[in-house]
Amino acid sequence: AQSVAQPEDQVNVAEGNPLTVKCTYSVSGNPYLFWYVQYPNRGLQFLLKYITGDNLVKGSYGFEAEFNKSQTSFHLKKPSALVSDSALYFCAVRDKSAGNTGKLIFGQGTTLQVKP
Amino acid sequence: DAEITQSPRHKITETGRQVTLACHQTWNHNNMFWYRQDLGHGLRLIHYSYGVHDTNKGEVSDGYSVSRSNTEDLPLTLESAASSQTSVYFCASQQGGVTDTQYFGPGTRLTVL
Repeated sequence: AQSVAQPEDQVNVAEGNPLTVKCTYSVSGNPYLFWYVQYPNRGLQFLLKYITGDNLVKGSYGFEAEFNKSQTSFHLKKPSALVSDSALYFCAVRDKSAGNTGKLIFGQGTTLQVKP
Repeated sequence: DAEITQSPRHKITETGRQVTLACHQTWNHNNMFWYRQDLGHGLRLIHYSYGVHDTNKGEVSDGYSVSRSNTEDLPLTLESAASSQTSVYFCASQQGGVTDTQYFGPGTRLTVL
């Protein structure tokens, strides 16, 4: 079955330190992977996606993600965290059922707390 | 700028009433989606559409319906609102390709009393 897992409900990091938000996936064939961020009382905002090519994907607000096929992971990273990065982060993979061109499978979300 | 809007942003209704949540996008995207977000459940897909007159059920479609009469709009109707449908509802749209990005609206917070 296709799935996405975000193993940590919450990640705490000090401002200025590097951050990692973990995501693993299970899908047949090559995955199409996405990261979104949700600030309080807002909709989800697209950060970045992996379709093919370079395993390191750069996105908005200084975030990047590393695709690792052997470990079936797509971890979100940032070299230096900001307090304003505190938010809820979702990893998603495109459902590869026959005929699907849109449906995403979302992880449960990880709350990132950056402390000053 | 192209965008996706939802209305109302907040709604309080009573059990048994019919409620319609609006979603409008100006990107001319083929695909549109409705999700609900609840604590402990993340995002769950309610209904989706791949084009005009096309609608499909998602994982939590019971008690909800949608119709797609044009490209821009996908209204979500709760036939007879129940307290279990108290949630935050998000609409999203996407161009039709399998690698395309889904973009989300700001959400509607619905309370059913």
